[in-house]
Amino acid sequence: EDQVTQSPEALRLQEGESSSLNCSYTVSGLRGLFWYRQDPGKGPEFLFTLYSAGEEKEKERLKATLTKKESFLHITAPKPEDSATYLCAVGPLQAGTALIFGKGTTLSVSS
Amino acid sequence: GAVVSQHPSRVICKSGTSVKIECRSLDFQATTMFWYRQFPKQSLMLMATSNEGSKATYEQGVEKDKFLINHASLTLSTLTVTSAHPEDSSFYICSARDIQADSSGNTIYFGEGSWLTVV
Repeated sequence: EDQVTQSPEALRLQEGESSSLNCSYTVSGLRGLFWYRQDPGKGPEFLFTLYSAGEEKEKERLKATLTKKESFLHITAPKPEDSATYLCAVGPLQAGTALIFGKGTTLSVSS
Repeated sequence: GAVVSQHPSRVICKSGTSVKIECRSLDFQATTMFWYRQFPKQSLMLMATSNEGSKATYEQGVEKDKFLINHASLTLSTLTVTSAHPEDSSFYICSARDIQADSSGNTIYFGEGSWLTVV
């Protein structure tokens, strides 16, 4: 069964305190791993797509990496505005197939 | 990037009535759209896959007669919650697949979500 597990469920950081979020997955025929940011009461906002093991992508203070079994979202020197729920999703990207989401990691960054 | 628009963003309806939520892809054609439901502090739960011009595919446990999905055009899918009850109150989110990836590699875009409250 395809499954996505994110850890930790919640993470509290001080401003400037770097850390990583984990997304482990078991899926047949992985074609893409997605990271989204979701603010309370809003739809998910796209961050990254990773397609193959060893791939890395960066955006401001965020860097996503991918191995054959998991992905990490590294947050460097976070700011309070980085506080949100970060969702990981995987999908075979075949036509008509939905993404499979993890439960998310809720990040709180205090100043 | 591509935009998916959902309307209404918030709706309150009386128990027993029906409410329709629209999901539009604004600058791309979406042969496939997905409807999710999200409870507070929970992840997105896929309800159904909507395919343009054909019947939607519902996930196990989702009542197709209660959650009517219509995907009449390549840019519009609608979710109608029929005979709504308070337990149907939730955050409903749609997403649409653009078959062409953008420069960042994204192919799936989400709407802003619709808060439904049934009183």
